[in-house]
Amino acid sequence: NFMLTQPHSVSESPGKTVTISCSRSSGSVASTYVQWYQQRPGSSPTTLILADNERLSGVPDRFSGSIDRSSNSASLTISGLKTEDEADYYCQSYDTGKVVFGGGTKLTVL
Amino acid sequence: EVQLVESGGGLVQPGRSLRLSCAASGFSFDGYAMHWVRQAPGKGLEWVSGISWNSGDIGYVDSVKGRFTISRDNAKKSLYLLMNSLRADDTADYYCVKGGSPAVYYYGMDVWGQGTTVTVSS
Repeated sequence: NFMLTQPHSVSESPGKTVTISCSRSSGSVASTYVQWYQQRPGSSPTTLILADNERLSGVPDRFSGSIDRSSNSASLTISGLKTEDEADYYCQSYDTGKVVFGGGTKLTVL
Repeated sequence: EVQLVESGGGLVQPGRSLRLSCAASGFSFDGYAMHWVRQAPGKGLEWVSGISWNSGDIGYVDSVKGRFTISRDNAKKSLYLLMNSLRADDTADYYCVKGGSPAVYYYGMDVWGQGTTVTVSS
């Protein structure tokens, strides 16, 4: 079993770039795909990134995903921050016979 | 337009049962895995269960094994979750989610429903 650990919260100013990390506790981050989901307040989650770095159709190219084998972690980078990006962000991957979510990161754009 | 519409949530007493349904439209339902993901009040996302395109592979989070049963009817383009022996900690919003591939544990989830609320309380 492994865990995905995200920072509880991050904040940044509009127009800036922020990176949200997702650290895998055991096993290689490259062994199973990592996904990223956004959940705005009061709304259902939506999918931003599939398969480590594939943006879903309609997702702005300000959002990008990557994995880093050396730190065994995945990252979501949001550039040109907008106030509408204020939301909770979740990473997700797979373990044997289960789906694993990170605890979520609250992004504040101020 | 791809759409997932959940129904069946409500207030139920501890120990009782509830059946959630999810009606899918706008895509080839029988070509994709499907999932249930829940979110307790003020908490993060938790995967509950997933089922492959042909029901050949099914998985559950440990906390619901033996109590919940996922199923699908490809002819009706519908996903179900039968929840037995409900407990207070099952209280959550339950989301029906489309998988990104036919397999349960491969390509993420790409479309989410609006959710249905389950409250377990006496």
